[in-house]
Amino acid sequence: QKEVEQNSGPLSVPEGAIASLNCTYSDRVSQSFFWYRQYSGKSPELIMSIYSNGDKEDGRFTAQLNKASQYVSLLIRDSQPSDSATYLCAVGAGSYQLTFGKGTKLSVIP
Amino acid sequence: GAVVSQHPSWVICKSGTSVKIECRSLDFQATTMFWYRQFPKQSLMLMATSNEGSKATYEQGVEKDKFLINHASLTLSTLTVTSAHPEDSSFYICSARNRGTDSPLHFGNGTRLTVT
Repeated sequence: QKEVEQNSGPLSVPEGAIASLNCTYSDRVSQSFFWYRQYSGKSPELIMSIYSNGDKEDGRFTAQLNKASQYVSLLIRDSQPSDSATYLCAVGAGSYQLTFGKGTKLSVIP
Repeated sequence: GAVVSQHPSWVICKSGTSVKIECRSLDFQATTMFWYRQFPKQSLMLMATSNEGSKATYEQGVEKDKFLINHASLTLSTLTVTSAHPEDSSFYICSARNRGTDSPLHFGNGTRLTVT
């Protein structure tokens, strides 16, 4: 059974701070890792993809992957109230399906 | 980028009627599409995998005779909720990939179904 675990939150951070979202996965052969943002009542939107160990930066977002520890994280710098949403971690292991975590709810306090 | 279009965005129907939801890949061909359901404040739940030209694969607990999936072309999959009941009221979302199995899923905007 492939599992992706996330802290459900809510994670509250003040505006301008760094938000750190974490995800662990069980399938050691996982190859692809994604972070999605889902606003309330909306469908998920892709914000980051990462495939190799290390960091990948895109604007205020940095994804970090450590395959040995089976751990992937998302850092959001200079958090804004508009970043308040649920963040979904998704993991792929070479099949057509992705395994999703249940999401971490982030609240950025003005 | 890959665009997945879903229609309608919301629908209200009476109990006992059927509702069809369309999912289109606009700028790529999708041999496989996925249908999810999400109840308020709950996580995404995969309902079924739609395969072009063949039968859909349903997740455990999802009634295939109630949720009919047709994937007749490389750009269109449909989900029909038959004999809808109030407990079928939910947010239905389709998704697809535009490349290989390591590429991300792209989601449609979702369909909010309310059964009265």
